[in-house]
Amino acid sequence: QVQLVESGGGVVQPGGSLRLSCVGSGFTFTPYHIHWVRQAPGKGLEWVAVISSDGRNKDYGDSVKGRFSVSRDNSKNTVFLEMNSLRREDTAMFYCARSWGYSAYPFDYWGQGTLVTVSS
Amino acid sequence: QSVLTQPPSVSGAPGQRVTISCTGTGSNTGAGYDVHWYQQLPGTAPKLLIFNNNNRPSGVPDRFSGSKSGTSASLAITGLQSEDDADYYCQSYDSSLGDTVFGGGTKLTVL
Repeated sequence: QVQLVESGGGVVQPGGSLRLSCVGSGFTFTPYHIHWVRQAPGKGLEWVAVISSDGRNKDYGDSVKGRFSVSRDNSKNTVFLEMNSLRREDTAMFYCARSWGYSAYPFDYWGQGTLVTVSS
Repeated sequence: QSVLTQPPSVSGAPGQRVTISCTGTGSNTGAGYDVHWYQQLPGTAPKLLIFNNNNRPSGVPDRFSGSKSGTSASLAITGLQSEDDADYYCQSYDSSLGDTVFGGGTKLTVL
C-alpha cells in the first residue's frame, strides 16, 4: 500500500537547524511531486514547499523562503526538508504529501507527520 | 488570515445534511483553479476527500460531494454520521502568490 513516512522531528533551540526526511513506499516514487505541509498546534494547514518529480523545480511559502530547502534522492525514494534559522513560530507537525502535478493538484496521500518543536 | 475563507464551525444532527463553504478571490478559485477538500480526524493526518471540485477518490462514500461556482466552492455531507466529526479544509492554487493555499479549516460537530 502507498506509504509516506516522515522522520527527523524533535526539539531544537531558536536559531537552530533540523533535517526532515520523507520516505515513500508501495508506489513508483519518481513520477510524483512531493509537498511539505505544516500544522501548528491547534491551527490550520499551511503549505511549506514543493519539489518536482525530477528535483529540478522547487517552491517555498513566504514564511520559510530563504530558511528552508527541499531536496530529493529518487534512488532512495526520499525527500528532505532542511530547516535553518528556526523560529518559535516554526513549531508544528510537518507532513509530506504526494501529488501527480506540480501545482494546483490535490495531495492524494499524506504521511503521519513528524513534530518539530522550537524552544529554548 | 487564510487566503481561502471557511466558516470556523458547523454542526448537525445525525442523518442531517450540512454544507461547508470555501470562498476565494479572482487569483485563486475565481481564476478557474480547482478546489480540493480534505478531512482531518482528531490526531491524524489529513485525507483527500474531494478533488477537482467534485470528484471522490476511491473509497470515499457518496455522502460526500463537492461543487464550485465562481469564486466559491462547497462541500456537502448528507446522512451525517458520528464518524464525520472532524476538521475539513479546502485547498486551491493562487496565481498571485504562486503558491498552494488552504482554507482556515472548519470544525464539524455531529450533535
